[in-house]
Amino acid sequence: EVQLVQSGAEVKKAGESLKISCKASEYIFTNYWIGWVRQVPGKGLEWLGMIHPGDSDTRYNPSVEGQVTVSADKSVSTAYLQLVSLKASDTARYYCVRRVEVGAAFDSWGQGALVTVSS
Amino acid sequence: QSALTQPRSVSGSLGQSVTISCTGSSSDVGGYDFVSWYQQHPDRAPRLMIFAVTKRPSGVPDRFSGSKSGNTASLTISGLQAEDAADYYCGSFATSHSYVFGTGTKVTVL
Repeated sequence: EVQLVQSGAEVKKAGESLKISCKASEYIFTNYWIGWVRQVPGKGLEWLGMIHPGDSDTRYNPSVEGQVTVSADKSVSTAYLQLVSLKASDTARYYCVRRVEVGAAFDSWGQGALVTVSS
Repeated sequence: QSALTQPRSVSGSLGQSVTISCTGSSSDVGGYDFVSWYQQHPDRAPRLMIFAVTKRPSGVPDRFSGSKSGNTASLTISGLQAEDAADYYCGSFATSHSYVFGTGTKVTVL
């Protein structure tokens, strides 16, 4: 069974940076896009971006481009999401997701990492 | 990119059917047969229920079905069960190889 295990909850101050990790297992890491989805408490889902670990091709949601960076390390089957210049509005749960080619759907989700940013 | 439009809530009695709509544009829902639906229970990660408009992943009950017409996709839950009470989000591949989610719909089982 595909597993995506994320790093733990984080508490940060406004203006700081943060890097969240997502370790993948039970599938060939370089064969699938892996991405990130944000959910502000009580609100909906927002796609942030994704990377193809096979060739490092990356795609971003235009609304967050420049504020987030997606990366991956093939040697440890791990994807990362970096957030810079954190704001209180970045307080959210961040999920990593695996995208399958058929239908471009997210078939596997990490457990989510809660990020709290205090001003 | 703008979020796809879903009704805020729908409700139905046990055993009835409910349908959730998801309206986008020709840049997303209408342009590709790449619409998915996700179920989310409180404090849980979302779960993929439908992909490629009509396909169900293994383990998803066949009372869940999807369809699309033009720029609007739909999820129908037939024979509503208590455990179907949850939030549902549509999602679609969009131009420039991006992705967009819907605004979310709360399903209540009466």
